[in-house]
Amino acid sequence: QLQLQESGPGPLKPSETLSLICTVSGDSISSAYYWAWIRQPPGKGLEWIGNFYYTGTSYYNPSLKSRVTISVDTSKNQLSLKLNSVTAADTAIYYCARQSLRSLGGFLDFWGQGTLVPVSS
Amino acid sequence: QSVLTQPPSASGTPGQRVIISCSGSSSNLGSNAVNWYQQLPGTAPRLLIYGHNQRPSGVPDRFSGSKSGTSASLAISGLQSADEADYFCAAWDDSLNYVFGPGTKVTVL
Repeated sequence: QLQLQESGPGPLKPSETLSLICTVSGDSISSAYYWAWIRQPPGKGLEWIGNFYYTGTSYYNPSLKSRVTISVDTSKNQLSLKLNSVTAADTAIYYCARQSLRSLGGFLDFWGQGTLVPVSS
Repeated sequence: QSVLTQPPSASGTPGQRVIISCSGSSSNLGSNAVNWYQQLPGTAPRLLIYGHNQRPSGVPDRFSGSKSGTSASLAISGLQSADEADYFCAAWDDSLNYVFGPGTKVTVL
């Protein structure tokens, strides 16, 4: 069974860089899927951050593109997220998920449990 | 502000049928498949419907989806207390952004 587990540094201060890792088990990160990050501010809706295909293709939410980098480490079967210059508005639960190809509808079929990243001075 | 619109809430009594709407535009729902997610309180979202009306393994057939033009809907038949959750529609947009609706909170009365 495919499982995804997010891990990260915990609370951040404004202007710092958010770095998260998603460890994938039960499937290869080099399979025919994208691997995505999604976030959810406490009590609010879902926001797609972006995704990455192991060959190097990636897509990013235009509103975050200037601050985001998503990459994969195929040797460790891990997905990573870096978000620069965080502010309190970046406080959210961050989820990683497997995402189908856009031609198949881009559905997110397996999700991690999420990790809360607070940003506060 | 979401490019997809959903009603903030919906409700019904046990056994009733509840329908949640999702409205978009030609650049998202009009040209791409719609997916639906269920988020139970305190848990991660779960894929409920993909490709307009397909259910992943394990999703009861009480849940069904449809799409017409730039609108889509999710129907929950035989409403149960376990269905109390937030429901989100989502689709690719032609701007190469995957967009979610704001979510609809379903309450079982």
